[in-house]
Amino acid sequence: GAVVSQHPSRVICKSGTSVKIECRSLDFQATTMFWYRQFPKQSLMLMATSNEGSKATYEQGVEKDKFLINHASLTLSTLTVTSAHPEDSSFYICSASMVLAKNIQYFGAGTRLSVL
Amino acid sequence: GQNIDQPTEMTATEGAIVQINCTYQTSGFNGLFWYQQHAGEAPTFLSYNVLDGLEEKGRFSSFLSRSKGYSYLLLKELQMKDSASYLCAVMDSNYQLIWGAGTKLIIKP
Repeated sequence: GAVVSQHPSRVICKSGTSVKIECRSLDFQATTMFWYRQFPKQSLMLMATSNEGSKATYEQGVEKDKFLINHASLTLSTLTVTSAHPEDSSFYICSASMVLAKNIQYFGAGTRLSVL
Repeated sequence: GQNIDQPTEMTATEGAIVQINCTYQTSGFNGLFWYQQHAGEAPTFLSYNVLDGLEEKGRFSSFLSRSKGYSYLLLKELQMKDSASYLCAVMDSNYQLIWGAGTKLIIKP
């Protein structure tokens, strides 16, 4: 159990385009979903936390208009990188925590974004 | 400020035992987590400690001492597939996860 699916696994796009990343909890209802960014050889950087039906809480320094998060249901959250630029190239990872075990985060497989 | 310290890199031999240490200073404590992350992949959950003591799960064990702000992850009977980064993370009083930079474990035959 506790499977989180993230799609797509890899995206290569031109500068200026928008990219949407989906995160789904397949076999549980997720109270909260988290979006992280990770640069090579560095630890995870939390970008935002989202609860179903409410606005996401963004970490300091993360532009909410640049990284749009929608958490439409207890099993789906999306991150849209708007007008992507080369500096947005990174590994984006989502995680979800369960209603009954809210401390443990289960991670999706990650999305490697390359902006040309 | 909040801080998680763990060694940057460790090397061990296949079949041996290795202990990865983690010390932390956080505002409040609601549990300590260990995750395994293979290169280019997302982290996978290994263990969760909220009370002092040792939690054993197969070849992996995790220890916590809250008074010392200290934890370790113990890996026994090392296999080549254990080569990965091991991330220590602490949940603070706001239920926010504070992540360490990770320890890259290299297993040699």
